[in-house]
Amino acid sequence: EADIYQTPRYLVIGTGKKITLECSQTMGHDKMYWYQQDPGMELHLIHYSYGVNSTEKGDLSSESTVSRIRTEHFPLTLESARPSHTSQYLCASSELGSQQETQYFGPGTRLLVL
Amino acid sequence: AQKITQTQPGMFVQEKEAVTLDCTYDTSDPSYGLFWYKQPSSGEMIFLIYQGSYDQQNATEGRYSLNFQKARKSANLVISASQLGDSAMYFCAMRESSWGNNRLAFGKGNQVVVIP
Repeated sequence: EADIYQTPRYLVIGTGKKITLECSQTMGHDKMYWYQQDPGMELHLIHYSYGVNSTEKGDLSSESTVSRIRTEHFPLTLESARPSHTSQYLCASSELGSQQETQYFGPGTRLLVL
Repeated sequence: AQKITQTQPGMFVQEKEAVTLDCTYDTSDPSYGLFWYKQPSSGEMIFLIYQGSYDQQNATEGRYSLNFQKARKSANLVISASQLGDSAMYFCAMRESSWGNNRLAFGKGNQVVVIP
């Protein structure tokens, strides 16, 4: 059972605002991920992390940034939100070295930028 | 090139009946993993079942089973005895060992609606 949390669940914000989407997991997983998903579409990896102080960009170019100062915490920041950032953002984590390395997901944040 | 293909249109299935969701994949890596996730309307992604490329037997997890046909590069999900709570989007995903970063490539999903 996954214990991974995201806040807020829903966010409506105006263009130009700075926002931070929070993601925390209590499973002690080393690896964490951020995906972006437009309605009815597949997920695209935008950031991932192997552990503390490790962050990498994913497959889909994103104007967001991430940090990993603590194992359990992987926040995503948009310095200046735009309507094109409207999407669902899903955070996931997995255990390094496990055979399957199944990724477990949080509930997601639905972002609407006006 | 699309790594995971899910092309079925939205499906309606009668409660208590079985439903099969198609997934084909494209890889030249001999070592890979295949995953199915369920996404209800609330948005979270729920892990259902995993099949490794070297696994000899088809994976099963409760009412979920995976029909793995390696030569055809097919990994169909079978949901038996459908329940109303099975109504959701279902995503097939693949991880290739050569990627190194445990990246998952997702298909576009299959919509399932279970009717009473």
